[in-house]
Amino acid sequence: GAVVSQHPSWVICKSGTSVKIECRSLDFQATTMFWYRQFPKQSLMLMATSNEGSKATYEQGVEKDKFLINHASLTLSTLTVTSAHPEDSSFYICSARDLLRSPYEQYFGPGTRLTVT
Amino acid sequence: DQQVKQNSPSLSVQEGRISILNCDYTNSMFDYFLWYKKYPAEGPTFLISISSIKDKNEDGRFTVFLNKSAKHLSLHIVPSQPGDSAVYFCAAYNNAGNMLTFGGGTRLMVKP
Repeated sequence: GAVVSQHPSWVICKSGTSVKIECRSLDFQATTMFWYRQFPKQSLMLMATSNEGSKATYEQGVEKDKFLINHASLTLSTLTVTSAHPEDSSFYICSARDLLRSPYEQYFGPGTRLTVT
Repeated sequence: DQQVKQNSPSLSVQEGRISILNCDYTNSMFDYFLWYKKYPAEGPTFLISISSIKDKNEDGRFTVFLNKSAKHLSLHIVPSQPGDSAVYFCAAYNNAGNMLTFGGGTRLMVKP
């Protein structure tokens, strides 16, 4: 149990286009989903926290107009990178929390590698 | 300001021996700690956790020790196996802050 999927696993796009990444909790309801970004050889950096049905809370330094997050249901959150640029190339990972299981543990998706050319 | 630090970027251990991964934190509000294992191009997978009210938690080959006075925790893997080779992240949870803060990770290499 507690499986989180991400789609796509890898996407290559041209500079200036927008890319949508989906994060789904497959066998539980996620009241909260988190979006992280990982640069090569670096740790995971929290970008934003999204609660179902409400606006996402962005961490300092993350442009909310560039990284649009929607958490429309208890099993789906999406991250849209708008007007992508090469510096947005990174590994994006989502996680989900199930308060019925634990208020602390987050279950991570497999990640999405974004390459902007 | 790194609130969770893993000072060893890498660790090499012989198969069958003990692996000890260390983690230090600065925020005294952290009350729950987790260790995650991560392979390249994959998401982290949960390994083991410990609450701040405990000083030890054991699960099979994995044991986490917490020293609150020193703001230090460690993950012991014994015996180490080649399949344990991965990057290990320690993470701390601040319930008041509602977020998980990750350390920089330690790459563990277990040699056969």
